[in-house]
Amino acid sequence: GQQLNQSPQSMFIQEGEDVSMNCTSSSIFNTWLWYKQDPGEGPVLLIALYKAGELTSNGRLTAQFGITRKDSFLNISASIPSDVGIYFCAGQRSGATNKLIFGTGTLLAVQP
Amino acid sequence: DAGVIQSPRHEVTEMGQEVTLRCKPISGHNSLFWYRQTMMRGLELLIYFNNNVPIDDSGMPEDRFSAKMPNASFSTLKIQPSEPRDSAVYFCASSPRRSLSGNTIYFGEGSWLTVV
Repeated sequence: GQQLNQSPQSMFIQEGEDVSMNCTSSSIFNTWLWYKQDPGEGPVLLIALYKAGELTSNGRLTAQFGITRKDSFLNISASIPSDVGIYFCAGQRSGATNKLIFGTGTLLAVQP
Repeated sequence: DAGVIQSPRHEVTEMGQEVTLRCKPISGHNSLFWYRQTMMRGLELLIYFNNNVPIDDSGMPEDRFSAKMPNASFSTLKIQPSEPRDSAVYFCASSPRRSLSGNTIYFGEGSWLTVV
């Protein structure tokens, strides 16, 4: 199935470092969502973005909806070991559906 | 409130057997989705329902796969006959009534299927 381009594929960082990951698409989306998946669990919603240019925070997480509506990024500040997991972006096009297209995922490992 | 509830959490079955995965969406949500996750293909949408009606089943891989939603609080995904390549994690997700600003989708914990 179709997927969004998400980068980087993986990151190995030290505790306390900031993290940045992004998602790009050739298509315009009207909603961007960021999810985190822990091992053995389903994806959990972190942040939802509904307007181009929107910048939203959730604790140490900040995400932005790109002006062109074709990209989004997620930043994690002062990473901690429990930030470990796979982060997925997901986009939703305008129209009469709720269909989400997922990114390929970014694996984050945090060294204590 | 309870989230999306899936069963079974894990299933190991022999090739050729019928597999039925079950889902109870979040109460009040009117959209339900079935996704499949594998290492090779990531998260793929198989089918989704709005108000119990299948809207888009273009992701269903073959006729061996079928999904039903007999009422607002229950859905099944059936594979008959199962094959080893069907081994994956199957997620059910639900979403509230769609608004102009879009909707968030909430996932269950997944059903881990292994076909040997």
